[in-house]
Amino acid sequence: GQNIDQPTEMTATEGAIVQINCTYQTSGFNGLFWYQQHAGEAPTFLSYNVLDGLEEKGRFSSFLSRSKGYSYLLLKELQMKDSASYLCAVRDSNYQLIWGAGTKLIIKP
Amino acid sequence: GAVVSQHPSWVICKSGTSVKIECRSLDFQATTMFWYRQFPKQSLMLMATSNEGSKATYEQGVEKDKFLINHASLTLSTLTVTSAHPEDSSFYICSAREERDSSPLHFGNGTRLTVT
Repeated sequence: GQNIDQPTEMTATEGAIVQINCTYQTSGFNGLFWYQQHAGEAPTFLSYNVLDGLEEKGRFSSFLSRSKGYSYLLLKELQMKDSASYLCAVRDSNYQLIWGAGTKLIIKP
Repeated sequence: GAVVSQHPSWVICKSGTSVKIECRSLDFQATTMFWYRQFPKQSLMLMATSNEGSKATYEQGVEKDKFLINHASLTLSTLTVTSAHPEDSSFYICSAREERDSSPLHFGNGTRLTVT
């Protein structure tokens, strides 16, 4: 079956760095997406990786290793507004999005 | 950037009535739109894939006669929850994707449905 694993919850301190991991097992691979979702709101797109390596976008970076079925989202200089759930999603060979359950990130002052 | 508009943002209805939710892609054409449901503290669950000009494809366990989907144009898809019951209370989110391989899903703001 298809499976995406990410930690349920993480806690970090304002101003620090946090890495949210995502491992996947899917039938085929056509890209991996990270989304941010604040409570009660719809997800918003953060990043897209289809080739191995690091994609940097401001305070957020996303890394992909296709051979390991692994990705991480790195958040730097954490701000209180970064408190949200972070969803990892993989597009499989049929171009269907398989969603992880999300990681709730709690930022403490 | 691509914008998806969803309406209404929230709705309260009585048990047994029907509710229609609209999803529009404002600055791009979407051959395919997706409807998700999300219960509190749970992940997104795909309900159905809406295809312009053809029947929607429903995920296993989703009743097609209860959740009517109409994708009449390249910019509009509607989801109608028929004969709503309290257990249908949830956060419904639509999304659409531009026709590019690297394009992410763009989400509407979601509709919070409460059935009393």
